[in-house]
Order: sequence, then C-alpha cells, then structure tokens
Amino acid sequence: NAGVTQTPKFQVLKTGQSMTLQCAQDMNHEYMSWYRQDPGMGLRLIHYSVGAGITDQGEVPNGYNVSRSTTEDFPLRLLSAAPSQTSVYFCASSDPPGPQHFGDGTRLSIL
Amino acid sequence: GIQVEQSPPDLILQEGANSTLRCNFSDSVNNLQWFHQNPWGQLINLFYIPSGTKQNGRLSATTVATERYSLLYISSSQTTDSGVYFCAVGDSGGYQKVTFGTGTKLQVIP
Repeated sequence: NAGVTQTPKFQVLKTGQSMTLQCAQDMNHEYMSWYRQDPGMGLRLIHYSVGAGITDQGEVPNGYNVSRSTTEDFPLRLLSAAPSQTSVYFCASSDPPGPQHFGDGTRLSIL
Repeated sequence: GIQVEQSPPDLILQEGANSTLRCNFSDSVNNLQWFHQNPWGQLINLFYIPSGTKQNGRLSATTVATERYSLLYISSSQTTDSGVYFCAVGDSGGYQKVTFGTGTKLQVIP
C-alpha cells in the first residue's frame, strides 16, 4: 500500500506562475484535505473534500483551487503564485470516524 | 473557530525519562488526534482519540472531552521520539474541518 502520495516533493516557482500539486490515495478514503505548514506553526486547512464532486473551503483558501473528480485524486492548484504561498503543503485522507493519513509533503518556494 | 493550545511548547528530556504533553481546546469536539512530526517532516498519526484512553507501546493518550483537554504520555523516552507533537481537533460543526495546535517540540538527548 502506497498510502497518500504527493508530487512533486520540491518545487521552485516565480511570482505569477501557476502550478498544480498532486495528491493521490489508494485507501479508498472518502475524505481528503490540503494543509499548509509555515515555519514554527501548526498546519492550517486550505480546502477539503468529503467525496468525489464535493469540495469546501478551509481556514486559508484564498489563492488556491481544488477539484475532486475521483475518489483517489485531490489536486491543489495555485492560480498565480505569490511569495506568501511559500510553505510546505500536506495532503491527508481519512475515512471518518477514523485517523487522518498524511503524505510526505511538497516543499514549495516562490521567488 | 475552535482554539487549540498545547503545552509545553518545548521540552528537553534525558533518554529514559517520562513526559506528559497537554492539549486544551476551547469548544466541543467530535474527534481528536495526536501526531508526531519527525525530523524529516513526516506526520505520523499516533492516536485517534475523541474520548477515553488508548495505549500503544510506550505511548498512551487520554481525552476528557467534557473538560476539553487531552494528554499524551511518553514513557521511557528514546532519541527516536524527538520531533514535534501535534494535537488536532475537529469541531462539532464538521468532522472534516480539523484545527491543529502549534505543537510541542521534544528533544530527547542520550
């Protein structure tokens, strides 16, 4: 079992560029979420999904888009990258009620 | 939204010592998790514990939901226990909206 797989592991962007962070899970979990972690802080929820075709905003959604066309995949899109979006991004999946499983993260730097 | 406070923020232990980490939350919750973030940045789920007590080897956790706190016990600490421990809660408005605390950074020295 691969669990939750995030790609890429590292990425450097220029301000204004767009990109998609990929997240895939093979546990057939209904719930998936995206978080960002800034230095010295806990994780903050960006967007989440409770099933294919259903998404909603978390605490810090501005500048990010998501979609969920399949149970397995939950990509996160940065529309126009800004230096404030430099962070480590984590994807998680779960089958409630139950624990969340996290990917290894994507380290994103925006110059 | 719900507030999650963890204490202490930093902790240094001699290998073999025991410790207790605390998580306080400001409102009713329908789920609570403890995570360990290792020095490589990976997040490992230790416990899913909305109420009651659970044990897994040298680790155990207790959540008293009515008093809005949870405790994580680490016994006979090892250097591999080093890292950051996070408490994360889902409020009663929705299981999927999880709020993380700012963590306890633990360093276990040989």
